[in-house]
Amino acid sequence: GNSVTQMEGPVTLSEEAFLTINCTYTATGYPSLFWYVQYPGEGLQLLLKATKADDKGSNKGFEATYRKETTSFHLEKGSVQVSDSAVYLCALSDPGGTYKYIFGTGTRLKVLA
Amino acid sequence: DTAVSQTPKYLVTQMGNDKSIKCEQNLGHDTMYWYKQDSKKFLKIMFSYNNKELIINETVPNRFSPKSPDKAHLNLHINSLELGDSAVYFCASSQPQGNTEAFFGQGTRLTVV
Repeated sequence: GNSVTQMEGPVTLSEEAFLTINCTYTATGYPSLFWYVQYPGEGLQLLLKATKADDKGSNKGFEATYRKETTSFHLEKGSVQVSDSAVYLCALSDPGGTYKYIFGTGTRLKVLA
Repeated sequence: DTAVSQTPKYLVTQMGNDKSIKCEQNLGHDTMYWYKQDSKKFLKIMFSYNNKELIINETVPNRFSPKSPDKAHLNLHINSLELGDSAVYFCASSQPQGNTEAFFGQGTRLTVV
């Protein structure tokens, strides 16, 4: 079955450090890939997405590239801020319409001033 | 104007009680979901509905019964609450095509004492 694997957290960085959160997936066919962000006490917000191989999603300085050859969708940001502290969740959906989004375990990011 | 709204935000109740969580979306989506997030932030699908019809029931105990009176609403009723039901429950909606993102509500933190 389809699945998503994320790196274990928490990840603690100093402000302005470079961020990478790894995400790999297992899927039949060609899934769409998403990164969601969850701030403390809040719901999930879409951060970025990519719907086909080699697509790059980007938003608020974050970016991720859909890599079919390595089945990966790693999240990166060049310079993190304290306000980026949150839980980041990688997810996939089946474009055939399986009516299900499958999430990774989430990675908590803490950015120190 | 909130896209996906769920009520209540917090719910504290005793073991054995019956409770309901309500969800409404104003995005015109055909598909709605219930997800459960455990204390480690892992998000797991419980149910999905498309056009008021149950599509996915992901091995959830019979004590959980979703009801969709119309496309814009998906409520979750839980009978005989147990301590292990304590979690954050998220409602979400999307179009059924998997290349679009799901929109999430703010979550309902259920605590069973």
